[in-house]
This record gives sequence, structure tokens and C-alpha cells, in this order.
Amino acid sequence: TQLLEQSPQFLSIQEGENLTVYCNSSSVFSSLQWYRQEPGEGPVLLVTVVTGGEVKKLKRLTFQFGDARKDSSLHITAAQPGDTGLYLCAGVQGAQKLVFGQGTRLTINP
Amino acid sequence: DTGVSQDPRHKITKRGQNVTFRCDPISEHNRLYWYRQTLGQGPEFLTYFQNEAQLEKSRLLSDRFSAERPKGSFSTLEIQRTEQGDSAMYLCASSLAVTGAYNEQFFGPGTRLTVL
Repeated sequence: TQLLEQSPQFLSIQEGENLTVYCNSSSVFSSLQWYRQEPGEGPVLLVTVVTGGEVKKLKRLTFQFGDARKDSSLHITAAQPGDTGLYLCAGVQGAQKLVFGQGTRLTINP
Repeated sequence: DTGVSQDPRHKITKRGQNVTFRCDPISEHNRLYWYRQTLGQGPEFLTYFQNEAQLEKSRLLSDRFSAERPKGSFSTLEIQRTEQGDSAMYLCASSLAVTGAYNEQFFGPGTRLTVL
């Protein structure tokens, strides 16, 4: 059973457009992390959100944690080809293991 | 480079053979995790260590799988009598145990296993 559902699973847009990726769960997490993964490599940590309602910005990327700490979103403004990759959200359970969504494969076309 | 390292990066083996992977965590990190990722899916938790103690194992970790972290530094993951269904990317991550909600895990590049 996938505890974290990401949507969309695939997204292909043109350079310069904005996009939002969603990560939803019926479970409460103590924190949630977003990773980006390139083919053949391990995930790279982008951000950790901890407090319900928290918003964090990383250049053109904006991450939000839901008030109830069950969902999160990633918004990218003015997407660039370098943003292409697999974006993974992961919730922390029991302060130890990560529970991952299935990922959103993002393609930005020049 | 002070990140998490894994060896080998790629392993091709025949069904029924044993394989062993190694993970070297970030030096000051006391927690080490193993995950498995199949094509088109997010990583799935296998097991984790705090120092040399193995504190949790997933139901995914069958009797053919064993992990060790003998001195609380590097870890090995062994798969005995490999099956084609074991083909996957095996990821290692490490973190520094802190009080509170943060548990930021940093991943290695993974070992891609192909069982023929």
C-alpha cells in the first residue's frame, strides 16, 4: 500500500511555464522531504518541511507543507530544462524510515 | 568527497549466486539505511542501523537478505541465492540522529543489480 500519492506521475511542459506537483496522504508525518533524482543516481535532498503550513523557497522552487501535515506541494516557476528529473516526496515515520511517493517524472522542453 | 559512497555501482549476476554490496556513510552520521528502488517506483525501506545495532527490518527483507554494520561505520548488504525479482537499485542513506522531527537522510549513488 502506497502511503504517499504523488500527482501527476508524468508531466511534460515547455520552458518558461509554471507547474505544481502534489504529494498527498491520509497519514500524518512528523516531517516531509522532497528529493530530486537523476537517472542512475541516488536521490538528492532538496528541502525538509516540518511545521504545518510551512512554506520554503529554493530559488524558483516553492515547497509547502499542509496545515495537517498530511500533504505537500512543490511549485516551480518559469521552469527550465535543467529542472528535468524525477521528483520524490518522502514522509518521515517514527522519526526513522522514509516512506516515498512513486515520484513525478518532469520533462521541461526547450 | 564526503558524501555517501556505494560499491559497486553496477552488478550483473546469474540467478542463484550470492552478491554483497558495501555502503560508506557520511563519517559523522550514526544512522544508516538501506532502500530498494524498482523501475518507475519510489525507494522502499529495507532496514536501518543506529551505530552497529540493526533496529528495524522491513517485511521486504526476506531470509535471503542480510545486512551488517559491524563497527558502526560502513555497512554491507548481502543477498543469497539471487532471484530475478531481486533486480533493482539498492540505495544506502545516512543521517545524524537528532532529537525532534528532522531526519534528513542523504543518499549514495546506489548499486544497480541485474539478475539474469
